[in-house]
Amino acid sequence: AQRVTQPEKLLSVFKGAPVELKCNYSYSGSPELFWYVQYSRQRLQLLLRHISRESIKGFTADLNKGETSFHLKKPFAQEEDSAMYYCALNGAGNMLTFGGGTRLMVKP
Amino acid sequence: EAQVTQNPRYLITVTGKKLTVTCSQNMNHEYMSWYRQDPGLGLRQIYYSMNVEVTDKGDVPEGYKVSRKEKRNFPLILESPSPNQTSLYFCASSLTSGRYNEQFFGPGTRLTVL
Repeated sequence: AQRVTQPEKLLSVFKGAPVELKCNYSYSGSPELFWYVQYSRQRLQLLLRHISRESIKGFTADLNKGETSFHLKKPFAQEEDSAMYYCALNGAGNMLTFGGGTRLMVKP
Repeated sequence: EAQVTQNPRYLITVTGKKLTVTCSQNMNHEYMSWYRQDPGLGLRQIYYSMNVEVTDKGDVPEGYKVSRKEKRNFPLILESPSPNQTSLYFCASSLTSGRYNEQFFGPGTRLTVL
């Protein structure tokens, strides 16, 4: 079975502060991990994926297999980063398992 | 514009009245999927389809049916809706079922079952 846990339902930071959204997973094989984001009144969309090792909108995420984590980080949060963030895992190839989501609020 | 569309966007119905939520994509994607989103639970997969005439259960398939007669369409059918199926439903598609593929989501359908 595969599982994704996002321990924080809400994360509130001030503009310019660093932000880290936590994601822990459970999967016996080699996982493929994603971060999806849903801005207000917009569709859920891909933010970044583990295999690409890219930085999108200043966000990065590193897979730590030892800690089974895939935390999302940004050094300086912006107000436009306020959104709902979902960590997702594709283990078996056909099913994408999402975490419960973390709402990020960036205050001015 | 390449996209996933869902209809209706909002629906209020009563217990036991059969309904269908349509999903269509114009990107020639092989893989399509349905999710429900509930507060605190994130998105949970209901059914998925790897190609025409190939469907399989996700994590929460009870009370739902799907069909995939054409590549572009993947309707979600609730034969006898119940109040616990009140939720926000998302359809998604990706090029193939490969594990690295990005999924593209529809705008969502908010269903209320009274």
